[in-house]
Amino acid sequence: AQTVTQSQPEMSVQEAETVTLSCTYDTSESNYYLFWYKQPPSRQMILVIRQEAYKQQNATENRFSVNFQKAAKSFSLKISDSQLGDTAMYFCAFMNRDDKIIFGKGTRLHILP
Amino acid sequence: GAVVSQHPSWVICKSGTSVKIECRSLDFQATTMFWYRQFPKQSLMLMATSNEGSKATYEQGVEKDKFLINHASLTLSTLTVTSAHPEDSSFYICSARDGTEAFFGQGTRLTVV
Repeated sequence: AQTVTQSQPEMSVQEAETVTLSCTYDTSESNYYLFWYKQPPSRQMILVIRQEAYKQQNATENRFSVNFQKAAKSFSLKISDSQLGDTAMYFCAFMNRDDKIIFGKGTRLHILP
Repeated sequence: GAVVSQHPSWVICKSGTSVKIECRSLDFQATTMFWYRQFPKQSLMLMATSNEGSKATYEQGVEKDKFLINHASLTLSTLTVTSAHPEDSSFYICSARDGTEAFFGQGTRLTVV
């Protein structure tokens, strides 16, 4: 079975600091997509960043970057210069060959002023 | 990016009645859509895959007779919660894939009283 594990239920950091959210996954597939989604209090799912498994280069989107270690099946998210608006629930997710998205349990991130 | 619209955003219904939730892809066609359920402070759990023109496929443990899914066109999937009970109260989210990205509706908060 394909699983996504987020080991940090909750984290708090000061504004402007850098924070890393951990994620590991398990799959036997060789080609797949990995995502980090943000879910603010509105509960709208917002795509933060996406990584294609066949690409070795780590994806980057402005202040957000990932450390993708395919062999270790690890996909962590780094948020640099954190802002108050980054406060949200963050879900690591895996898309399999059937387009199904499997989510981790999430990490609740608090950015403190 | 593509837009997925979900309606209604929230609904309150009496126990024993049925409720229909619509999910529309506004600017792209989606042969496959997905329905998720999210309990408070928990992750998104995949309920079923909605396939245009054919029967939906349900995840293990999801009652197909309670959660009826219809995907009659390339832009519309509906989820009907039949004979709803308080334990069906939850947040329901649909998604559809466009290219290599999944787009999510804004979700429907269902409260059964």
